[in-house]
Amino acid sequence: AQSVTQPDIHITVSEGASLELRCNYSYGATPYLFWYVQSPGQGLQLLLKYFSGDTLVQGIKGFEAEFKRSQSSFNLRKPSVHWSDAAEYFCAVGAGSGNTPLVFGKGTRLSVIA
Amino acid sequence: EAGVVQSPRYKIIEKKQPVAFWCNPISGHNTLYWYRQNLGQGPELLIRYENEEAVDDSQLPKDRFSAERLKGVDSTLKIQPAELGDSAVYLCASSTRTGAPEAFFGQGTRLTVV
Repeated sequence: AQSVTQPDIHITVSEGASLELRCNYSYGATPYLFWYVQSPGQGLQLLLKYFSGDTLVQGIKGFEAEFKRSQSSFNLRKPSVHWSDAAEYFCAVGAGSGNTPLVFGKGTRLSVIA
Repeated sequence: EAGVVQSPRYKIIEKKQPVAFWCNPISGHNTLYWYRQNLGQGPELLIRYENEEAVDDSQLPKDRFSAERLKGVDSTLKIQPAELGDSAVYLCASSTRTGAPEAFFGQGTRLTVV
């Protein structure tokens, strides 16, 4: 069965600084990987996804993530953080084809300071 | 395109009372999921439907939880009787049958059991 680890529970960055959120997954084959963002009181919004091909994927709101098979990682990055990026970020892994349910990490809470 | 719609957004009930949540998935999405998100945690799958059939309900506490998806569209999730530990956000998501397991989430129902 697949699993996801997000090592950082809470990260604080200054507005304008760069950001990297870590995600490690466990799955025996090529996974489908996702990053979702959740603002307070809201549902989950998809930021980006990796299915195959180019290992650097671009998402919405200026986010990108890089799939590294050798490290079983899918870290999320943003070159310059805005105050509105403060939220909870979840990495998720899906397996196989069809509609196997996603398995989520526990999330990383991002705080942005002036 | 309308997204996944859930109601109510918030619900406060006393323990031992029943409660029900409703979900309308994205039009044309065959697969529907109910996830539970405890405070400070990632979403965890409760049940997955393919059309009107529950194909994965292994994580659903069947002594008190029930779900249905009549006509393969809308779905309801019920808890009877509710316990204090059921306080959580209940998220509904949907996806298409083809391709990778990208799920689209509703805004969730925040349940508080007092």
